[in-house]
Amino acid sequence: DAKTTQPTSMDCAEGRAANLPCNHSTISGNEYVYWYRQIHSQGPQYIIHGLKNNETNEMASLIITEDRKSSTLIRPHATLRDTAVYYCIARSPGSGYALNFGKGTSLLVTP
Amino acid sequence: GAVVSQHPSRVICKSGTSVKIECRSLDFQATTMFWYRQFPKQSLMLMATSNEGSKATYEQGVEKDKFLINHASLTLSTLTVTSAHPEDSSFYICSARDYGTRDTQYFGPGTRLTVL
Repeated sequence: DAKTTQPTSMDCAEGRAANLPCNHSTISGNEYVYWYRQIHSQGPQYIIHGLKNNETNEMASLIITEDRKSSTLIRPHATLRDTAVYYCIARSPGSGYALNFGKGTSLLVTP
Repeated sequence: GAVVSQHPSRVICKSGTSVKIECRSLDFQATTMFWYRQFPKQSLMLMATSNEGSKATYEQGVEKDKFLINHASLTLSTLTVTSAHPEDSSFYICSARDYGTRDTQYFGPGTRLTVL
């Protein structure tokens, strides 16, 4: 799996969009970008994943640059319950391997 | 999204006893499940890969005789911590692969194990 780099921590005001960046400059052509988050004392929650096109679901939007070397997870209208550690992971589907979690970005949403 | 459950959510046991944790995929079949461990303020660490009907594959440094894994059906994997000691106290999390949603992994809510 390609290495991903994320900021250690970020703050966001409640009601504003939380934009979480991820760098994956060595990503290969068949690797998807997956995003998960882990709220304190809970299991990780799947958010979204994509290959090269931008993706949107009920939880977030994923913007992937044209060269696929970086991406941004956008959580619009963040709430206090979005405070969590967010993980960006590059992985090939069907590889059979488990997701490897780095340190992620600790997002704090403030009132 | 797909749902994975774990039971129990929290367990406290005495040193030397064994504890079994169940992981179930509720609305999909999972030929592959994974077990992770997480210590305070650290990220998830993969312990083993569990494949239905075959032996689990353990990560380096994980004792297979201490952490027994059984994946007897397409919806159930169990982790048994044998002869638990205080250093085994941790947050144990399972996940299951759902091939139906582009091979996405879904995680259980975790089991907090405290060994006294």
